[in-house]
Amino acid sequence: GAVVSQHPSWVICKSGTSVKIECRSLDFQATTMFWYRQFPKQSLMLMATSNEGSKATYEQGVEKDKFLINHASLTLSTLTVTSAHPEDSSFYICSARMDYEQYFGPGTRLTVT
Amino acid sequence: DAKTTQPTSMDCAEGRAANLPCNHSTISGNEYVYWYRQIHSQGPQYIIHGLKNNETNEMASLIITEDRKSSTLILPHATLRDTAVYYCIVRVGYGGSQGNLIFGKGTKLSVKP
Repeated sequence: GAVVSQHPSWVICKSGTSVKIECRSLDFQATTMFWYRQFPKQSLMLMATSNEGSKATYEQGVEKDKFLINHASLTLSTLTVTSAHPEDSSFYICSARMDYEQYFGPGTRLTVT
Repeated sequence: DAKTTQPTSMDCAEGRAANLPCNHSTISGNEYVYWYRQIHSQGPQYIIHGLKNNETNEMASLIITEDRKSSTLILPHATLRDTAVYYCIVRVGYGGSQGNLIFGKGTKLSVKP
């Protein structure tokens, strides 16, 4: 149990366009969902935390107008990278919390050309 | 900032036990020790967690010192598939921002034939 999926698993987009990444908890309802970003050879960095029906809480240094998070239901959160630029190329990983445990998705590789 | 210190990398021979240390000298009484691992280009995978007692599951054992300032993750019979970055994280055992998983740099474990 406790499976988290992400879609797409990888995406290539052109600079200036927007891309949406979906995160779903498949067999449980998540009280909180998280978005992390990971650059090559670096650790995961928490970007934002969101609760269903509430505005996301962004970590310091993360632009909320650039990384739009929607948490419309207890099983779905989306991250939209707006006006993407090559420096936004990264591995984006979502996580969902059930009770006190966090479960991670497989990640989405974003490449901006 | 991460509250743990881990060696950057370790090697282990296939079939032997892998012992991964972690220092968390500033751990609070209500913080648990969690271990996750990340195989290349995948999302983190939960391994084990504990508060003060030693814990064992089908993947690993967790040994926490009596003063709780350090711990060791033990993979009893390492295989090549255990090659990954292992993260030791301390967090409170309840929700809210203090319960968020904040990743440090982890230990790159290389299991060699």
